[in-house]
Amino acid sequence: DIVMTQSPDSLAVSLGERATINCQSSRSVLHSPNNKNYLAWYQQKPGQPPKVLVYWASTRESGVPDRFSGSGSGTDFTLTISSLQAEDVAVYYCQQYYNLWSFGQGTKVEIK
Amino acid sequence: EVQLVESGGGLVQPGGSLRLSCAASGFTFSSYGMNWVRQVSGKGLEWVSGVRISDGRTFYADSVKGRFTISRDNSKNALYLQMDSLRADDTAVYYCARGGVGATWGDYWGRGTLVTVSS
Repeated sequence: DIVMTQSPDSLAVSLGERATINCQSSRSVLHSPNNKNYLAWYQQKPGQPPKVLVYWASTRESGVPDRFSGSGSGTDFTLTISSLQAEDVAVYYCQQYYNLWSFGQGTKVEIK
Repeated sequence: EVQLVESGGGLVQPGGSLRLSCAASGFTFSSYGMNWVRQVSGKGLEWVSGVRISDGRTFYADSVKGRFTISRDNSKNALYLQMDSLRADDTAVYYCARGGVGATWGDYWGRGTLVTVSS
């Protein structure tokens, strides 16, 4: 099983400032034959299902604001919100889909 | 428009059974892998089970292996989760999500159905 670990568990950022969430997998999720990282990021607001923001580690889902960006490869990944907006308050999860599915524990983003 | 609608949740006693359903519409259901993911109130996401499209093989989290059974009926555009020998720690919101285990992410999710296991 691949274990996903996020850091921090929570962070408070001022409006307009950058928020950075890290995700580490217990083994590489890079598939060499296609050179793709099997890593996605989700946003979940209270009472709603998760919504995908980024897949293949860095491909932004259609309709997702460009202030959200994903980076990283192998075992270490980052989701960056370049300029935090009030509507970005949520819990964010990373997920690997390289071997079955597994999720990080979540990072709660709040306004400072 | 892709839609996934879960149903079948409710209150059940420990040791009991429940069958969840997920009605899919807006896409060619038979062409996609499907999954169940659950979430305990206030906690994180836990993948429960998935069915792979390429060979129909099913997969389970260790926490539910031997107790839960995933199945699909492509003629009805429906995904199911038969849950037996339910325990208190199975209490959660259960989401149906489109995506392939070991292949793709969850691009569409239902709104979930609540399962409560309690005496």
